[in-house]
Amino acid sequence: QSALTQPASVSGSPGQSITISCTGTSSDVGSYNLVSWYQQHPGKAPKLMIYEGSKRPSGVSNRFSGSKSGNTASLTISGLQAEDEADYYCCSYAGSSTPWVFGGGTKLTVL
Amino acid sequence: EVQLVESGGGLVKPGGSLRLSCAASGFTFSSYSMNWVRQAPGKGLEWVSSISSSSSYIYYADSVKGRFTISRDNAKNSLYLQMNSLRAEDTAVYYCAEFERWLPWGQGTLVTVSS
Repeated sequence: QSALTQPASVSGSPGQSITISCTGTSSDVGSYNLVSWYQQHPGKAPKLMIYEGSKRPSGVSNRFSGSKSGNTASLTISGLQAEDEADYYCCSYAGSSTPWVFGGGTKLTVL
Repeated sequence: EVQLVESGGGLVKPGGSLRLSCAASGFTFSSYSMNWVRQAPGKGLEWVSSISSSSSYIYYADSVKGRFTISRDNAKNSLYLQMNSLRAEDTAVYYCAEFERWLPWGQGTLVTVSS
């Protein structure tokens, strides 16, 4: 099972919007509505930002949103803030034999 | 409060063994599948292994198949990972994670494989 494909880095200025893509296949992202997104600051554990494609856990800002089109999922962060600077990982269900697959991660820089 | 607390990491020589534990609290542990995910230093997240609620279904990443064994004790609300024949490339922070209720992850436990 190959990892999902994410851009290595994205950047944006405060107040802007950015989108991070997560490309899989018809065996994972394209087949299930089970994509999740995690934010990770240096030295910290990953924090769930989006689950089941577009749902936000309690306490996560509505500036974070998720979507999917075909085999590609996306995380959009609007109104970029300095504290959004972190690594972001996508994850998808991939079927019973290899249940979960992660993306390689995207480093978000807030300029 | 929902919590997942990993323990058991440490320094081990190549070829050695280690057993990780994950103590769960604040939810009905026995109802949910559980997973181990790891992160090598400076690298991304990697799914390692999954176990169903009743231990009927168990899956491993190819990178650990035949060397790692996942198990759980629902009476003790605990998840385990027995790691044998450890290699340098197994060096990572190991997290236990749940992907149905989408519970917060613990802080992880660091495993260092080095001579």
